[in-house]
Amino acid sequence: KAGVTQTPRYLIKTRGQQVTLSCSPISGHRSVSWYQQTPGQGLQFLFEYFSETQRNKGNFPGRFSGRQFSNSRSEMNVSTLELGDSALYLCASRQGDDQPQHFGDGTRLSIL
Amino acid sequence: AQKVTQAQTEISVVEKEDVTLDCVYETRDTTYYLFWYKQPPSGELVFLIRRNSFDEQNEISGRYSWNFQKSTSSFNFTITASQVVDSAVYFCALSEGSSGTYKYIFGTGTRLKVLA
Repeated sequence: KAGVTQTPRYLIKTRGQQVTLSCSPISGHRSVSWYQQTPGQGLQFLFEYFSETQRNKGNFPGRFSGRQFSNSRSEMNVSTLELGDSALYLCASRQGDDQPQHFGDGTRLSIL
Repeated sequence: AQKVTQAQTEISVVEKEDVTLDCVYETRDTTYYLFWYKQPPSGELVFLIRRNSFDEQNEISGRYSWNFQKSTSSFNFTITASQVVDSAVYFCALSEGSSGTYKYIFGTGTRLKVLA
């Protein structure tokens, strides 16, 4: 079974631009979550989608948004990029609420 | 409120030493799930173990063992005879449904350095 796939692996953007990250979950997994990881803040939860609906949300500004498609693939968008958005963005999927999340390799976003 | 505390920010040990990583959790729910993950320097988070709140049996997998104690709300992880390849950041996580949906809450992680 293929794991969680995130694209792209690396991105370099400048301040003010916007970016879209993609995540394909493990086949059969309907829940997809996004996390931001920085050296100083650890793993910060962004949001979780289940069956195309956002069901949990972390404490991030509205510049961070996401969506999930009918095939469970998910995208995360960050608009008006700031230097502080430089981070590793991780996507995770799980089969059910009692099951572990499985993570992708992440997208490393650098803002210049 | 749900919370996961990993008080040890960083631990350094010499190869072949045993090391225990602590995890303390808070939840009001009676049904919950606990997890441990390993994040090596390459960055991917690797799932290690899942434990539900009704199963307090300790588990051993090779050099890894987990001690789950509901009385102290702890789910500690021990690596026996540590190796350099064990160097990583280890995260403990809790999933529980008291908020209506099963949110995943991670601890802040413990960085383990195993020195040759």
